[in-house]
Amino acid sequence: QQQVKQSPQSLIVQKGGISIINCAYENTAFDYFPWYQQFPGKGPALLIAIRPDVSEKKEGRFTISFNKSAKQFSLHIMDSQPGDSATYFCAAKKDAGGTSYGKLTFGQGTILTVHP
Amino acid sequence: NAGVTQTPKFQVLKTGQSMTLQCAQDMNHNSMYWYRQDPGMGLRLIYYSASEGTTDKGEVPNGYNVSRLNKREFSLRLESAAPSQTSVYFCASRAGQGMNTEAFFGQGTRLTVV
Repeated sequence: QQQVKQSPQSLIVQKGGISIINCAYENTAFDYFPWYQQFPGKGPALLIAIRPDVSEKKEGRFTISFNKSAKQFSLHIMDSQPGDSATYFCAAKKDAGGTSYGKLTFGQGTILTVHP
Repeated sequence: NAGVTQTPKFQVLKTGQSMTLQCAQDMNHNSMYWYRQDPGMGLRLIYYSASEGTTDKGEVPNGYNVSRLNKREFSLRLESAAPSQTSVYFCASRAGQGMNTEAFFGQGTRLTVV
């Protein structure tokens, strides 16, 4: 059972373009939604994260948009650069209380290629 | 500051062999996790340890065992490796429940079972 569904599987954009990756979740108990960036041969690293009490969070060229009613969130990369070429994972976690102990549930991943 | 260190980085096993993947963190984190990464599947949780002395099954625990040796170290053991366990394995740690929610990942162990 895939609780977090991510699309597209791969994405090719030109330098300077906008990259958009979408995720949808099922468990309404999730209350923390991070995005991870992974370069080849490396482990995932936190890129940006959002809590469901806000609809948008921006850090530099990276923006998360969050739609709680639709149970969807997306990553927008503005002015995409070749150095942004990586695999991106959305994730969700139930962070407060319970016995989840911060277990991350990941989407399937998106391979982003930014052409010069 | 090394963060999360995994050993080995690469390993080839024959079906039926056993091995232990090692993970150590130097951030004084309470919680540690083992994930496996397969193409098109994202990262799936194998086992986790909320704190020293405790371990619990994740989404895909079959064929694996873990040991939380101390606060720093969390190992993953394959008792009888199978080709289906060919994957990239990641260890992660975080400070603890409800605190500093970022999880830090190691660089991974690429395991091939032939």
